[in-house]
Amino acid sequence: EAQVTQNPRYLITVTGKKLTVTCSQNMNHEYMSWYRQDPGLGLRQIYYSMNVEVTDKGDVPEGYKVSRKEKRNFPLILESPSPNQTSLYFCASSLDFRTAINYGYTFGSGTRLTVV
Amino acid sequence: AQRVTQPEKLLSVFKGAPVELKCNYSYSGSPELFWYVQYSRQRLQLLLRHISRESIKGFTADLNKGETSFHLKKPFAQEEDSAMYYCALTSGGFKTIFGAGTRLFVKA
Repeated sequence: EAQVTQNPRYLITVTGKKLTVTCSQNMNHEYMSWYRQDPGLGLRQIYYSMNVEVTDKGDVPEGYKVSRKEKRNFPLILESPSPNQTSLYFCASSLDFRTAINYGYTFGSGTRLTVV
Repeated sequence: AQRVTQPEKLLSVFKGAPVELKCNYSYSGSPELFWYVQYSRQRLQLLLRHISRESIKGFTADLNKGETSFHLKKPFAQEEDSAMYYCALTSGGFKTIFGAGTRLFVKA
């Protein structure tokens, strides 16, 4: 089944303890992106990647890192998580950006992160 | 600056009533606009896109460049339409901006 898979679905961690949220897609998509969803703010883009080894900042990149060493994976790294990073995170992908314009994105099921 | 505004956080209508979810955007170029929907306990999914001018699940949305709006409409709401709806704008800068979302609640 073609899909975007995120892990873990739920995570509770403590301030300052490095964590990684994984995102993997099996559709050979070039474009991948991370969003955080907060009440009243909707989805805000954290980072995106046009292809392997090509990443760029979204609107709220502070406190996050990403890597794109291979096409299928796009992990989100929080080097030193803080409580204000408590949120629901979504990974999304598209064949390429032109396809995203025409057909939208495929989203993962989300990762609910709580930082205490 | 690019911006997507959904002025209503919550919209409650009775089953069978018309529904309109508002979306206004700010973008200097030619925008690509979408509506995404998130049903309870499900992932976000594309509902419709302005370039296709299609009707999905009875919903339609017309891009009004003069009013910079892309409102989502359905003539007769159903209980299964209850969900969170997001308006999104994709620009040539390889970014997609989402509005804050509107929760639609259709009452029996």
